[in-house]
Amino acid sequence: QVTLRESGPALVKPTQTLTLTCTFSGFSLRTSGMCVSWVRQPPGKSLEWLALIDWDDDEYYNTSLKTRLTISKDTSKNQVVLTMTNMDPVDTATYFCARARGGNYYDSGKYFDYWGQGTLVTVSS
Amino acid sequence: EIVLTQSPGTLSLSPGERATLSCRASQTITSRYLAWYQQKPGQAPRLLISGASSRATGIPDRFSGSGSGTDFTLTISRLEPEDFAVYYCQQYGSSPNTFGQGTRLEIE
Repeated sequence: QVTLRESGPALVKPTQTLTLTCTFSGFSLRTSGMCVSWVRQPPGKSLEWLALIDWDDDEYYNTSLKTRLTISKDTSKNQVVLTMTNMDPVDTATYFCARARGGNYYDSGKYFDYWGQGTLVTVSS
Repeated sequence: EIVLTQSPGTLSLSPGERATLSCRASQTITSRYLAWYQQKPGQAPRLLISGASSRATGIPDRFSGSGSGTDFTLTISRLEPEDFAVYYCQQYGSSPNTFGQGTRLEIE
């Protein structure tokens, strides 16, 4: 059974750095082809893909946010961590982690077959 | 990046009716790398379709996907009460992955 769960602060101040952790089970990031991604959704709006890390430690980022994002993994703990610097009120959103599959092998183009429940992050002073 | 435009924005139908949702891309989506998701309030998206037409595990066969190039369709053959939700398409053929703005399927 595949599960993912996001954890992190519910409230951050403008200019601060956000750190979110995705803890997953039911699969391993040691397995060839496995990837984990972060996707966010502002209140009442659509979804935005942020970043992806694969089994081979390749990192991929949405170019619009690339300078602010870092994704990393701890395979032994089954965790993926996302950091986003210089937070702004427009970054207020529910942040999801998701298992990413399919597409081309060494490429960020993936669909998302299992999702965490999401964590709402509000940016406000 | 590829922009996905979904139509209609809102679709009002009754249980038992057929729903047809459209997703149009600003450029050709390679290899039919198009997915559909269902999202209910307060929940994460749920994968319905990948590869334009392959149903995900556990998805009822009343859900079907079709299309290629720039035009894709999600069809729900006979609406059940639990199908009323927001539906998103997503392309993964070109980086970055992008999502449409969503179609809200509501009970008429």
